[in-house]
Amino acid sequence: GESVGLHLPTLSVQEGDNSIINCAYSNSASDYFIWYKQESGKGPQFIIDIRSNMDKRQGQRVTVLLNKTVKHLSLQIAATQPGDSAVYFCAVGFGNEKLTFGTGTRLTIIP
Amino acid sequence: KAGVTQTPRYLIKTRGQQVTLSCSPISGHRSVSWYQQTPGQGLQFLFEYFSETQRNKGNFPGRFSGRQFSNSRSEMNVSTLELGDSALYLCASVRGIGTNEKLFFGSGTQLSVL
Repeated sequence: GESVGLHLPTLSVQEGDNSIINCAYSNSASDYFIWYKQESGKGPQFIIDIRSNMDKRQGQRVTVLLNKTVKHLSLQIAATQPGDSAVYFCAVGFGNEKLTFGTGTRLTIIP
Repeated sequence: KAGVTQTPRYLIKTRGQQVTLSCSPISGHRSVSWYQQTPGQGLQFLFEYFSETQRNKGNFPGRFSGRQFSNSRSEMNVSTLELGDSALYLCASVRGIGTNEKLFFGSGTQLSVL
């Protein structure tokens, strides 16, 4: 089965700086990758996704990079704001299998 | 459209008791998935229901069960509660399947077992 891990459980970033959150997965056949944001007291919220036929995808202030060679996924948040403080985790999918979720990185924005 | 509604938000139970959690998905969504979230394990898939039938099941003991009603509302039940069942239980309204699957989560039910 798939296993998904995050490199850092916590990350503190100065407001206005860029944040990079990393995720590693084990199944080289995985073909769908999603980043979620979970604020305190709320359920996870979809941020951005990417499929295995791409290596980069950009959204509003967020970019996801996929390196299939080393089975690594990252989320970049540009010009971080206080509202970006949350737990971020990746989810990895393969075919019709259910998504496998990582344990999350808690991002703290320092004013 | 209204989002996913989970009730109750908080529950405190003691070992050996049983608990029922409720989830109302987004209007028009026929599939509901349940997840257990703990700090150490992250989100673990419990089960998925589609049109009142269990479509997928995760690796949890039989004490965990669920059902879905004709209006797509879903309940999950945990019997003979153990301390390790303390967790945030999340319900997701599901659109699509496989790599087209999109999950819309509710705010969860925080269960504490004493």
